[in-house]
Amino acid sequence: GESVGLHLPTLSVQEGDNSIINCAYSNSASDYFIWYKQESGKGPQFIIDIRSNMDKRQGQRVTVLLNKTVKHLSLQIAATQPGDSAVYFCAENSGGFKTIFGAGTRLFVKA
Amino acid sequence: NAGVTQTPKFQVLKTGQSMTLQCAQDMNHNSMYWYRQDPGMGLRLIYYSASEGTTDKGEVPNGYNVSRLNKREFSLRLESAAPSQTSVYFCASSEVAGRQQETQYFGPGTRLLVL
Repeated sequence: GESVGLHLPTLSVQEGDNSIINCAYSNSASDYFIWYKQESGKGPQFIIDIRSNMDKRQGQRVTVLLNKTVKHLSLQIAATQPGDSAVYFCAENSGGFKTIFGAGTRLFVKA
Repeated sequence: NAGVTQTPKFQVLKTGQSMTLQCAQDMNHNSMYWYRQDPGMGLRLIYYSASEGTTDKGEVPNGYNVSRLNKREFSLRLESAAPSQTSVYFCASSEVAGRQQETQYFGPGTRLLVL
């Protein structure tokens, strides 16, 4: 989930397991959602996006689920690998140029 | 195709000094952005440029100025640096089709320390 403050929530998974990272978004008018991956010392990297007219979208090893009723977004990573270790954060946009970014969840993959 | 590039990668300033962070993109995007990222917080928008020739304030514009030099380049200037501006700065670019936002692509960041 998302956090406020200095300490990010951490998810620790075994290599090969599936990971689920959750995000609660704030604006019911948001209609575009994005998941980013940020490795230490690097810029955010786009993973997958979804628009509000969809409930689910799949990419390569990743799936995003959108539940507009409860304003919840999740990112599922299949067969998690050590290279997936990073901070993952969601972002929401309600049209225009201002996107709201969550603080993120740190994913740690145990070999 | 380098995407979004930023210079410098690291910078140390003394309080009151000025500097300009440079950003360039080669994806022919119309829109560009400057964010700051502080520990445990989400990215916060400082300024953005919807298209060449326009700039607008974001959430935290105080203490900063920007210049959209051309379609490729968008610079961020700190006129008189303060310790509160110690942060990691990211530039991003995107295409916006009408009202619909598209994915923002980020540069590698500039790590700034103000003493």
